[in-house]
Amino acid sequence: GESVGLHLPTLSVQEGDNSIINCAYSNSASDYFIWYKQESGKGPQFIIDIRSNMDKRQGQRVTVLLNKTVKHLSLQIAATQPGDSAVYFCAAMYSSASKIIFGSGTRLSIRP
Amino acid sequence: NAGVTQTPKFQVLKTGQSMTLQCAQDMNHNSMYWYRQDPGMGLRLIYYSASEGTTDKGEVPNGYNVSRLNKREFSLRLESAAPSQTSVYFCASSVWNGNYGYTFGSGTRLTVV
Repeated sequence: GESVGLHLPTLSVQEGDNSIINCAYSNSASDYFIWYKQESGKGPQFIIDIRSNMDKRQGQRVTVLLNKTVKHLSLQIAATQPGDSAVYFCAAMYSSASKIIFGSGTRLSIRP
Repeated sequence: NAGVTQTPKFQVLKTGQSMTLQCAQDMNHNSMYWYRQDPGMGLRLIYYSASEGTTDKGEVPNGYNVSRLNKREFSLRLESAAPSQTSVYFCASSVWNGNYGYTFGSGTRLTVV
């Protein structure tokens, strides 16, 4: 079955620095990957996604990198702000499947 | 546009009691899901409904039942609550239209004593 794991349960960065959150997945057949952000007391929110035919995708201050060779993806947040404090989840799936399996999450905290 | 609405937001049950968590979405999404979230465990899929009229087990279905009442509503039932079911429960919905951006509800915090 599918499994997804993040490398670090917590990450602390200085405000203004770039943050990098890493994630590994087990199933080489996964072809669609998503990052979610969950703020305290709220449900997860979609940040950015990437398909397996790409190795990089950029959004507003966020970039997702996909390395299919080692089954690894990362989320980069530029110029980290206090509002970026949250738990970040990666997810991997088949695009034809009906469900997403989530990793355990990385809690990002920002130092002033 | 309310998105995904879950009720109740908080609930305390005694062991052995039953209850139903309600979820409704107004986005005309085909698929709906129930996840539970425990500290350090991330989100684990309990049951999902790929389309109206179908339901399937996820990673942790034991102790739960679901009903896809119509396209909008997907309920989760605990027939005999156990302390191990203390968790935060999230309902989500989605539709595949080139991406799979789930929309989550705000969660139900359930405590079983």
